[in-house]
Amino acid sequence: NAGVTQTPKFRILKIGQSMTLQCAQDMNHNYMYWYRQDPGMGLKLIYYSVGAGITDKGEVPNGYNVSRSTTEDFPLRLELAAPSQTSVYFCASSLTGHTSANYGYTFGSGTRLTVV
Amino acid sequence: GQQLNQSPQSMFIQEGEDVSMNCTSSSIFNTWLWYKQDPGEGPVLLIALYKAGELTSNGRLTAQFGITRKDSFLNISASIPSDVGIYFCAGQHTGNQFYFGTGTSLTVIP
Repeated sequence: NAGVTQTPKFRILKIGQSMTLQCAQDMNHNYMYWYRQDPGMGLKLIYYSVGAGITDKGEVPNGYNVSRSTTEDFPLRLELAAPSQTSVYFCASSLTGHTSANYGYTFGSGTRLTVV
Repeated sequence: GQQLNQSPQSMFIQEGEDVSMNCTSSSIFNTWLWYKQDPGEGPVLLIALYKAGELTSNGRLTAQFGITRKDSFLNISASIPSDVGIYFCAGQHTGNQFYFGTGTSLTVIP
């Protein structure tokens, strides 16, 4: 049972560089999410997807892009990295939403990103 | 965006003590969840609450959905060292997005 797998675990980027954070789930969940976690600030939603081919902005989408070409994968793209994007990024998935018996999200173990 | 306030921000307790923490919102939620995050890992779901007044237990953990639907509480009885971590609440109005609290960091001193 792999659950939600995130890669890489750690990354240091220079200002202006780009990178893709990978997220894959093997639970056949329809919904996937990207959060960032800053110290003392809890989790903020960046983007989410309710199914393949569908993505929507969350609370803090600026500076990021996503795609959802398959049910399993939901990569997060940073095009021009900035110091403000230094954070821990979590990917999560859920089977469905409000009416699901399988409640809550399954989280990956996170990617710690530092932009210098 | 929606902000959920958790208190206390951090706690240092002796092993064996009971722990209480809470989460408050300015708006009503239909669902409350409590997560625990171990260092270097993602949050893991502990308890889910679906209606006002509901009291649900998971081992030594007990959570309650506040009557006003604007708050929730988590209690841990007889704490042990492995209870160390950050505890997050999350609330949902309708639809699919959950809003997360700012977290309560728990340290258990053996």
